[in-house]
Amino acid sequence: DVKVTQSSRYLVKRTGEKVFLECVQDMDHENMFWYRQDPGLGLRLIYFSYDVKMKEKGDIPEGYSVSREKKERFSLILESASTNQTSMYLCASSFHLGGLTYEQYFGPGTRLTVT
Amino acid sequence: TQLLEQSPQFLSIQEGENLTVYCNSSSVFSSLQWYRQEPGEGPVLLVTVVTGGEVKKLKRLTFQFGDARKDSSLHITAAQTGDTGLYLCAGPQSGGYQKVTFGIGTKLQVIP
Repeated sequence: DVKVTQSSRYLVKRTGEKVFLECVQDMDHENMFWYRQDPGLGLRLIYFSYDVKMKEKGDIPEGYSVSREKKERFSLILESASTNQTSMYLCASSFHLGGLTYEQYFGPGTRLTVT
Repeated sequence: TQLLEQSPQFLSIQEGENLTVYCNSSSVFSSLQWYRQEPGEGPVLLVTVVTGGEVKKLKRLTFQFGDARKDSSLHITAAQTGDTGLYLCAGPQSGGYQKVTFGIGTKLQVIP
């Protein structure tokens, strides 16, 4: 079974702090994604990576950065946390099949609260 | 931009009832996925439909892909409390890198 793990299930940080969220997948997937999920807004893509050291901005990259130094690990960084970044953060991975399915496998999520 | 609209957004039913939720788009998708997300957890893939008109069954869940590959439905027979959750449909975006468009979801509550 594909397993995607996230470093924390719950996190409380103060405004202005630098926050690191880590994601690890064990299935040798090329693609990794970071989303945030908010009520009424659904899943929104922050950043994704299709290879080691490669990254692409998603729909809402402002205030975030990412790092992918190893294939299995994809980190999301909040440079200076703000209250509007309080959200559920979801990491996902997928094969680069070149086919039709685009199935994504998600971690359990990190509920981040910024006070 | 390819959008996926899901309806209804909220659904509350009694255990044992049947229900159908919908996922619609004006765009053609090469495939659609359905995920279920339980409160406080990440989405879990239920099924992928690829061929227009395709029907897939997963126990009491029946998934159908529209003939024109612009829409999909999920029918649950004799709902159980364990079916409670957020049901998301998703489809691949054009442009490569396997980016996916997600619908906002249907939040289902099954009452005992």
